[in-house]
Amino acid sequence: ETGVTQTPRHLVMGMTNKKSLKCEQHLGHNAMYWYKQSAKKPLELMFVYNFKEQTENNSVPSRFSPECPNSSHLFLHLHTLQPEDSALYLCASSQEDRPNTEAFFGQGTRLTVV
Amino acid sequence: DAKTTQPPSMDCAEGRAANLPCNHSTISGNEYVYWYRQIHSQGPQYIIHGLKNNETNEMASLIITEDRKSSTLILPHATLRDTAVYYCIVRPLNTGFQKLVFGTGTRLLVSP
Repeated sequence: ETGVTQTPRHLVMGMTNKKSLKCEQHLGHNAMYWYKQSAKKPLELMFVYNFKEQTENNSVPSRFSPECPNSSHLFLHLHTLQPEDSALYLCASSQEDRPNTEAFFGQGTRLTVV
Repeated sequence: DAKTTQPPSMDCAEGRAANLPCNHSTISGNEYVYWYRQIHSQGPQYIIHGLKNNETNEMASLIITEDRKSSTLILPHATLRDTAVYYCIVRPLNTGFQKLVFGTGTRLLVSP
């Protein structure tokens, strides 16, 4: 248990569906992240939120839409995905004004697009 | 940012020490060395980090060479549950975690 909880753990969705991934942290951190990990590939950073403001978007297609309503919650809204979007989606959090610290990851959501 | 080089895979017998090397020859003075691991299909797990001194915690020890160009993560008594991909990452002191670059890591296989 890392203090970062992701739901659901597994999701199967059709290409015309709309779904959302949820991430919650109770560590008091002020930064949250979405990563994508495709099969046999390194983690790819998707979005970064610092103090609820999006500070980074790594050229992610608009069919992925993040939302950060408060510093403890992060969502990733999905719509009209493609089969190649099937991957493990990971959320992480950290305290950005403390340099000597670490990021904690959730267990991920395994997404399959059919 | 400094890049890291790790062997793609290593084997270790259960109960023995696992020594995972990492080369970061271009590291600068304000960059930390971080180690994470990822057990199959789970989120990465923080292990340890250091700047220039050796560090030890309940999970592992981190040995950093005097010139800081390389480091070794030591799991003193490897168990089957230590089978995972281990990532060595260099992080500048005053940058966010978005600057962490997870490479391909070392796949450690612990066998009975």
